[in-house]
Amino acid sequence: EVQLVESGGGLVQPGGSLRLSCAASGFTFSSYEMTWVRQAPGKGLEWVSYISGGGETTYYADSVKGRFTISRDNAKNSLYLQMNSLRAEDTAVYYCARDRANTFDIWGQGTMVTVSS
Amino acid sequence: DIQMTQSPSTLSASVGDRVTITCRASQSISSWLAWYQQKPGKAPNLLIYKASSLENGVPSRFSGSGSGTEFTLTISSLQPDDFATYYCQQYNSLWTFGQGTKVEVK
Repeated sequence: EVQLVESGGGLVQPGGSLRLSCAASGFTFSSYEMTWVRQAPGKGLEWVSYISGGGETTYYADSVKGRFTISRDNAKNSLYLQMNSLRAEDTAVYYCARDRANTFDIWGQGTMVTVSS
Repeated sequence: DIQMTQSPSTLSASVGDRVTITCRASQSISSWLAWYQQKPGKAPNLLIYKASSLENGVPSRFSGSGSGTEFTLTISSLQPDDFATYYCQQYNSLWTFGQGTKVEVK
């Protein structure tokens, strides 16, 4: 079964850091580009970051550029999102998703990140 | 940046109704548009890609059309399982989602 499972969310103070992980199974992970999408409580979807299959190419939304870093370990079938200098407006459910020709065909269940003092 | 605007924000409908949701791009995106369905507490689900291509496993009552800056998602006969929020997404230049359209029970 093709599956993505996120972990690493939680409560963090403003200015703090958090690292999200996404474990992939059921497909050849290294063959796919991957992405992170977030959704603030009661709000719509916001694309956050993209990484190519080999990890050489990354893109970020302006709202997180310079603070978040996307990476992957193809040997471990894992995707990561390192989040630094967190702000209240980063509070959201974070989803990892598989990128198939620039559409997101497989999504994880999401992990909640709450930035609050 | 490309902005995506959906209308309406909320749509009240009954089972069996034909439902149409519109999505407008701030500049031409050719046919690089997808539609997703999201139910409360769940991850989004891809319905349509490249404006009008139906994703495998998605019921044929869903259809998409349009190109350039104007797109529509149509549900030909609304079913109980279709009450949800729908998002369009452009992928012509990075990725941008519309603000969503909630389809609720009339």
